[in-house]
Amino acid sequence: AQSVTQLGSHVSVSEGALVLLRCNYSSSVPPYLFWYVQYPNQGLQLLLKYTSAATLVKGINGFEAEFKKSETSFHLTKPSAHMSDAAEYFCAVSDKSRLSFGAGTTVTVRA
Amino acid sequence: EAGVAQSPRYKIIEKRQSVAFWCNPISGHATLYWYQQILGQGPKLLIQFQNNGVVDDSQLPKDRFSAERLKGVDSTLKIQPAKLEDSAVYLCASSFSSPGTGRYEGPDTQYFGPGTRLTVL
Repeated sequence: AQSVTQLGSHVSVSEGALVLLRCNYSSSVPPYLFWYVQYPNQGLQLLLKYTSAATLVKGINGFEAEFKKSETSFHLTKPSAHMSDAAEYFCAVSDKSRLSFGAGTTVTVRA
Repeated sequence: EAGVAQSPRYKIIEKRQSVAFWCNPISGHATLYWYQQILGQGPKLLIQFQNNGVVDDSQLPKDRFSAERLKGVDSTLKIQPAKLEDSAVYLCASSFSSPGTGRYEGPDTQYFGPGTRLTVL
C-alpha cells in the first residue's frame, strides 16, 4: 500500500519568506506524487504533479517540488510567501488510480 | 469551463436520519470520485465511477453508504442511517480519461468540487 506522511500540521511564515512543506512517501513501485492546495470552503486544486519525468517539478503560483528517491521525499517550496498562500496543502501519492492523501499542512502567512 | 458542482453546500441532520448529496462533474469527464474528508485528515476515496460503472468501492461502508451514477453523468451519494462519525466534508471530483497512447504518463488530473459539509448531531 502506498502512503504519504506530511511533517508538521501547521506552518507559519512571514510574508516574503521561504515556504517549505515536507512530504515523505512510502511506495513499493515508482510513485506518482502530487501537491494540492485547499482554500477555505473550496475544493482541492492541483498545484503540481510528478510523473517520473524531471525530478524538479514546477507548478502554479510559484510553487515547485523536488522528487528525491534516496530520501523518499517530495517537499514543496516557494521562495517568497504571499498572503494569498494561506491555505491547507495536501501531498498525495498514487499508483495508477487511487490517490492517497496526507493529513495536510495548514500554512499561515504573517504580515 | 464550468467546474465540478455539488449541492447542498451544508447539511445538518440528526443521527439515524438519511441524507443525499449531488454532484455534477465537468462536462466530458468520464471518471467521477466521491471522497470523505474528516476534520484534520486528508480526503479518503469512497467510490470511483468510470462512466456509470463502479471501478473502486473498497472503502465505501456499504451497510450505510450508497452511490449511483445512472446515466454516466451526475451522481448521488446517500447515507442511511447517518452516524455521528459521518460528520465530514464530502468531496466530488472528476477526471477526463485520456485515450491510450501506448505510454502511461500517470493518473489523470482530478478536479474537485467545493464539497458538502455534513454535520450529524
